[in-house]
Amino acid sequence: DAGVIQSPRHEVTEMGQEVTLRCKPISGHNSLFWYRQTMMRGLELLIYFNNNVPIDDSGMPEDRFSAKMPNASFSTLKIQPSEPRDSAVYFCASNGEGFYGYTFGSGTRLTVV
Amino acid sequence: SQQGEEDPQALSIQEGENATMNCSYKTSINNLQWYRQNSGRGLVHLILIRSNEREKHSGRLRVTLDTSKKSSSLLITASRAADTASYFCATALASGTYKYIFGTGTRLKVLA
Repeated sequence: DAGVIQSPRHEVTEMGQEVTLRCKPISGHNSLFWYRQTMMRGLELLIYFNNNVPIDDSGMPEDRFSAKMPNASFSTLKIQPSEPRDSAVYFCASNGEGFYGYTFGSGTRLTVV
Repeated sequence: SQQGEEDPQALSIQEGENATMNCSYKTSINNLQWYRQNSGRGLVHLILIRSNEREKHSGRLRVTLDTSKKSSSLLITASRAADTASYFCATALASGTYKYIFGTGTRLKVLA
């Protein structure tokens, strides 16, 4: 198993541009999570899906952020328009049935200039 | 606000020594997990302890949980330079949900 795959690994974009981050969870995992990590705020849960359905998006900072999971093997996190304060490392993680611990992707380091 | 707070924020020890990190949380939990994050990488799951368990071992790792004090500790015995990383606790807030809230982390540095 290749694990949770995120792309791109690094993204540098100009303020105002649209950014799309992608995630492929582990096959068979039915829960998917998007986290954001910054020095100031640590790891923040943005949104999580169960069986492709968004369960809790209370962590999404504002309407500029949106996430979708069109099928069990793919999810996107979109920021439109992006702002410098969105600069962070964005992690995707997946989890199977039961409490066995998340498997994290390697993250996308986003820099908005 | 953070559900979990790790203590200390940073820890520096010599190779071979034991490292102890603590996590305090605020609300009742279903289970608690510990993760390791190497610099620039994703988090790696280390160990899970359920609310009805008091202690758990995995290799050189020992985790304790005191639900009355709402705290947990992670002990790494005979530390190695490769253990240098940040360590996070994560709590599941309610039964039946897989939503975990992460603490602030302890940065461990093991000196060779």
